[in-house]
Amino acid sequence: EVQLVESGGTWVKPGGSLRLSCTVSGLTFSDAWMAWVRQPPGKGLEWVGHIKNKHEGETTDYAEPVKDRFTISRDDSKDTVYLQMHRLQTDDTAIYFCTTLHPDRPRWGLGTLMTVSS
Amino acid sequence: DIHMTQSPSNLSAEVGDRITITCRASESISNWLAWYQQRPGKAPKLLIYDAATLESGVPSRFSGSGSGTEFTLTITSLQPDDSATYFCQQYNYFFFTFGPGTKVHIK
Repeated sequence: EVQLVESGGTWVKPGGSLRLSCTVSGLTFSDAWMAWVRQPPGKGLEWVGHIKNKHEGETTDYAEPVKDRFTISRDDSKDTVYLQMHRLQTDDTAIYFCTTLHPDRPRWGLGTLMTVSS
Repeated sequence: DIHMTQSPSNLSAEVGDRITITCRASESISNWLAWYQQRPGKAPKLLIYDAATLESGVPSRFSGSGSGTEFTLTITSLQPDDSATYFCQQYNYFFFTFGPGTKVHIK
């Protein structure tokens, strides 16, 4: 059974930093492209960014609102993808989900909540 | 970016009704479309992928159709448990985009 489990969400002050993790099981993680998607309270879903697999150079792309502040990385030895976030703003408050299309359909974790507030 | 729209944004129906939700993409996405059900505070639950493939364990009253730019999610014989928000996702590109959602209310 494929499982994606996010962790690391917490309360953080504006301007702060936080790293989220997503550990995957049940699929060949090293082959998977991984994405982060977020959902602010009461709002819709927004793609944050993604990282390709090693074969594709672990290339990353980011949504404009987070470019230059967020970094996605992966550790294939730990089957884990990370979302490092800096200079956090109140409108970054959201549930953060990791997701993949590997091997054959969209798969999602349950999400982790990050609240940015003073 | 591929822009996704959905209609209606809200829908009220009775138990046993058949309802249809439409999702449109701003450009062709072939059949790379998924439908989800989401309840407040919960993760999205995959219902349909590749536009028309029913996810394992999802009741057969849910069905999807369409290709290119226009897609539909149909729920036949609506049940009380179907009260939720439904949204579509395109994954033609890994720059995923999502419909704004349709809130389904059971009268």
